[in-house]
Amino acid sequence: DAKTTQPTSMDCAEGRAANLPCNHSTISGNEYVYWYRQIHSQGPQYIIHGLKNNETNEMASLIITEDRKSSTLILPHATLRDTAVYYCIVGLRNSGNTPLVFGKGTRLSVIA
Amino acid sequence: GAVVSQHPSWVICKSGTSVKIECRSLDFQATTMFWYRQFPKQSLMLMATSNEGSKATYEQGVEKDKFLINHASLTLSTLTVTSAHPEDSSFYICSAREPGLAGDEQYFGPGTRLTVT
Repeated sequence: DAKTTQPTSMDCAEGRAANLPCNHSTISGNEYVYWYRQIHSQGPQYIIHGLKNNETNEMASLIITEDRKSSTLILPHATLRDTAVYYCIVGLRNSGNTPLVFGKGTRLSVIA
Repeated sequence: GAVVSQHPSWVICKSGTSVKIECRSLDFQATTMFWYRQFPKQSLMLMATSNEGSKATYEQGVEKDKFLINHASLTLSTLTVTSAHPEDSSFYICSAREPGLAGDEQYFGPGTRLTVT
């Protein structure tokens, strides 16, 4: 079972920041937080991951609370192409045989 | 990031026939690949874990005799849906981990849409 809870859907105006929350209150000390997104009829795309520090890459920023029980994915300037289902997943690193388990995700709609 | 490909991207077959889906890691070797299935408006559900040179491990409720998985090399895994029925119509997605010094991200193929008529 997925160990995360996300809102079912969110809307965001084009050009504004999209802030997607995720609760993972049962995360263990060595589990990472991963974010993937899935655009309609495509395979999931890796976005970012983190353990306890905030992370930023060319796609997004990941803010993890100090107690690690929740996190927020930030798309700084959302575009129409960011419309997708966003999945927050917790899992171990370097665990070759252990797959990522997907929850229901958040359907983000970016509106012009 | 690493690239995982799938072939075909979509297929239509008649009920009772078998369909093979290929999953390749294009620029890395994948000891382990994963197969997921996704029905409309639902999330990805893990079907099986495919290990190179050994038998696949299937999730509970997935029929191993119906969904044959072969992982004959470090860059290729195949999923064969045998005696397909309309209820097998779904979006099948494979995935592989790219091992590296910084860790092992899991990358996904573009998916194969199977329609059984």
